[in-house]
Amino acid sequence: GQNIDQPTEMTATEGAIVQINCTYQTSGFNGLFWYQQHAGEAPTFLSYNVLDGLEEKGRFSSFLSRSKGYSYLLLKELQMKDSASYLCAVHGEDSNYQLIWGAGTKLIIKP
Amino acid sequence: DAGITQSPRHKVTETGTPVTLRCHQTENHRYMYWYRQDPGHGLRLIHYSYGVKDTDKGEVSDGYSVSRSKTEDFLLTLESATSSQTSVYFCAISEMDSGANVLTFGAGSRLTVL
Repeated sequence: GQNIDQPTEMTATEGAIVQINCTYQTSGFNGLFWYQQHAGEAPTFLSYNVLDGLEEKGRFSSFLSRSKGYSYLLLKELQMKDSASYLCAVHGEDSNYQLIWGAGTKLIIKP
Repeated sequence: DAGITQSPRHKVTETGTPVTLRCHQTENHRYMYWYRQDPGHGLRLIHYSYGVKDTDKGEVSDGYSVSRSKTEDFLLTLESATSSQTSVYFCAISEMDSGANVLTFGAGSRLTVL
């Protein structure tokens, strides 16, 4: 079957760096997405990886290794507003670009 | 930001009653989706649409139906609500661009079935 695994919860300190991992097993691969979701709000798009390597966008970076079925989201210089859930999603092999979603990682930032 | 609104935002209903949730977009995007989100689960696709009157089932479609008579509106109907359908429902839109199907989500509709 198709599966995406992420840690359920992580805790980090304000100003530090945190890495959120995502492993996936899907039939085919056409891209991996990271979304951020604050409590009680809608998910919002953070990043997209389709080729191996690191994509950097300000304080956030996302890495992909297709051969290992692995991605991580790296958050630097953590701020209290980064407290949120981070959702990993994979576009597998599907003609209508359906996404397979992980359950999300709840990130708690402490002062 | 993409214009996408959901209504109602909150609803409490009783088992066995029909419920309709509305998603409205002002972006003229082709693709629209209904997801449900429950604790411990990833977002699960209920139904999606790839054009007016063109819809298809997602992974958790039982007990739900949809309609899209206009590009801007996508309705989700629970024919006879059950307690297992208590959830937060998100509508999303996308216009696939360069192969990246980036979704923009509505604010969500919280449904409680008693």
